[in-house]
This record gives sequence, C-alpha cells and structure tokens, in this order.
Amino acid sequence: DIQMTQSPSSLSASVGDRVTLTCRTSQSAGNSLNWYRQKPGRAPEVLIFSVSSVQSGVPSRFSGSGSGTDYTLTITSLQPEDFATYYCQQTARYPPTFGQGTKLEIK
Amino acid sequence: EVQLVESGGGLVQPGGSLRLSCAASGFTFSSYWMTWVRQAPGKGLEWVANIKKDGSEKYYVDSVKGRFSISRDNAQNSMYLQMNSLRAEDTAVYFCGRIILPSTGTWWFDPWGQGTLVTVSS
Repeated sequence: DIQMTQSPSSLSASVGDRVTLTCRTSQSAGNSLNWYRQKPGRAPEVLIFSVSSVQSGVPSRFSGSGSGTDYTLTITSLQPEDFATYYCQQTARYPPTFGQGTKLEIK
Repeated sequence: EVQLVESGGGLVQPGGSLRLSCAASGFTFSSYWMTWVRQAPGKGLEWVANIKKDGSEKYYVDSVKGRFSISRDNAQNSMYLQMNSLRAEDTAVYFCGRIILPSTGTWWFDPWGQGTLVTVSS
C-alpha cells in the first residue's frame, strides 16, 4: 500500500494568512493526488484533483502542486470557512489511501 | 443537484450484520463508479470499497474482504454495502461517494453523502 504522511498534523493561523500543507507518499503517486477539506460534522469535499486542478466552485486561493512523492496544498488569504481538516489522497494504486489529515485552527 | 443520501446505520452487536444504502439523484447513476469510505470517531478517512458502473468489478480494503459486499441497483439509482461479522473496529461514519474517472487515468471522489453512523458494540 502507498503510505501517506501529512505535515504538519495541526497548524494555527490567522484570517488572511498564507499556509502550505504538505503530503508525502511512500511511492510516487504521479498525477493521482487529490486534496479534500472536511469541516466539522460535514462530509469531505474535493478541492484539488490530479495534483493541481482546482475543482469547479472552489475559490482561487486554493492551489496544489508537486510531483513524485512530495505534494503541497497552498491556501492564500485564509478565510473563516477554511479552518477545517485537510486530507490528501492517492489514487495511483489500489487501495486508495488518505493522509492522516492536517487540522487548520484559528490562532 | 447531485445528491447522495446514506441510510441504514445503527447499533449492532459484534458478529452482527447491517446493510447500508446510498440513494443517488441528480445524475446518471449508471454512468459512474461509486465508493464507500468510512471515518472512525475522531479519526481520519479510510477507503472501504469501489464498484464499477455495471457492478462487474469490485474492490475492497483488506480489512473488510470476505465480510463486506458492495453492490448496486442501477434501476433504483442505489448502492449498497452489506456488512457481516461486524467488529468493534468497524464503528465509523460510512460515506458513499461518486467517483469521477476521466480518461486521464486519475480519479477522485465527488460528491460525498452526509454519512451514516454504524456502531458495533455489545
């Protein structure tokens, strides 16, 4: 199985800040790397698919990049609704696996 | 509007069975692979199973193989997860999701249902 490691596990930031979340995979995930946001008590929602493609309706402050085994999600100008947990996911090989999540909290 | 609604969760004793349902609307259900993902209380996301558009291919995480069975009824726009020999570690919110699978070879889950809670306890 491809192991996923997200860092940091938690992060405190303020509205308006720029933050970068990292996801490392144990084997190359190629272009098959996705990012989801999960607000408390809600279902996850896709933000970024295929490393860097922004899902329709997702604000342009979200961007993704990376290759091989290292991927990042960047959020510029944090908004109150962005304080949530973020998960990366690889779908390069079965089983698809998720990172353990990064919890983004208000400072 | 694309919508997925799960049902069938509840409290079940260890060793028991439960059948979850996922009702789809707002899209051509038979044109999409579908998935189940679970989340134990306070924990992260774990993929459980995928099923192909016509039900001819099914994939499972190792921990549920031989105990869980994914199926679908395209005429009813519904997907199911039959869960047998349930264990305490199966306690989780179970989400159904639609799989987006373009020709590029990459794929992802969108959208997800609101989830249904399964609690395995005596």
